[in-house]
Amino acid sequence: EPEVTQTPSHQVTQMGQEVILRCVPISNHLYFYWYRQILGQKVEFLVSFYNNEISEKSEIFDDQFSVERPDGSNFTLKIRSTKLEDSAMYFCASSGTDQETQYFGPGTRLLVL
Amino acid sequence: AQTVTQSQPEMSVQEAETVTLSCTYDTSESDYYLFWYKQPPSRQMILVIRQEAYKQQNATENRFSVNFQKAAKSFSLKISDSQLGDAAMYFCAYRGNAGNMLTFGGGTRLMVKP
Repeated sequence: EPEVTQTPSHQVTQMGQEVILRCVPISNHLYFYWYRQILGQKVEFLVSFYNNEISEKSEIFDDQFSVERPDGSNFTLKIRSTKLEDSAMYFCASSGTDQETQYFGPGTRLLVL
Repeated sequence: AQTVTQSQPEMSVQEAETVTLSCTYDTSESDYYLFWYKQPPSRQMILVIRQEAYKQQNATENRFSVNFQKAAKSFSLKISDSQLGDAAMYFCAYRGNAGNMLTFGGGTRLMVKP
């Protein structure tokens, strides 16, 4: 069964460094998403992406964040200058033409020191 | 803005018994989708079941079923014949018809006792 994959599974970085989190959505899906979950808190929406542009974003998704689909398979989230409060689990998700159901990847645990 | 509330931070159930997890939501929309996701210790979010608001019939997936009460804005998950592998965090989520974002509840940690 096709699934969303994410790399790396864990990343440790220093405050102020740039990180890129990578996702490979399900191959025939057209809609892509990033969510984050700070330890012990709710899962929060960051951004949705369709047809090579952002379709929706939350207040969390400020200028420090960017998303890109550099080729036909990868979907990336870049954090330009990481802060301590960016430490969280980051989930990628994708959905097909019906947009109704989002399938999640296993997550990347980001720790900013 | 839509909100999703899960009032039970923790629940426990005996193996083979039935448990119901509660979820309420607030919305002014008439068309929307509701989901239950399971998050085991591995942290991956796994879709358990979904319900379209326009459908009156409650969704069922094997041992998992929902009780969708649209007027009450309630969407509970019933797990029958609970198994040890059902132990996880369970998140209720809402998706409106206008956008794609999922709004999640705070989660319920389910423990299954052998």
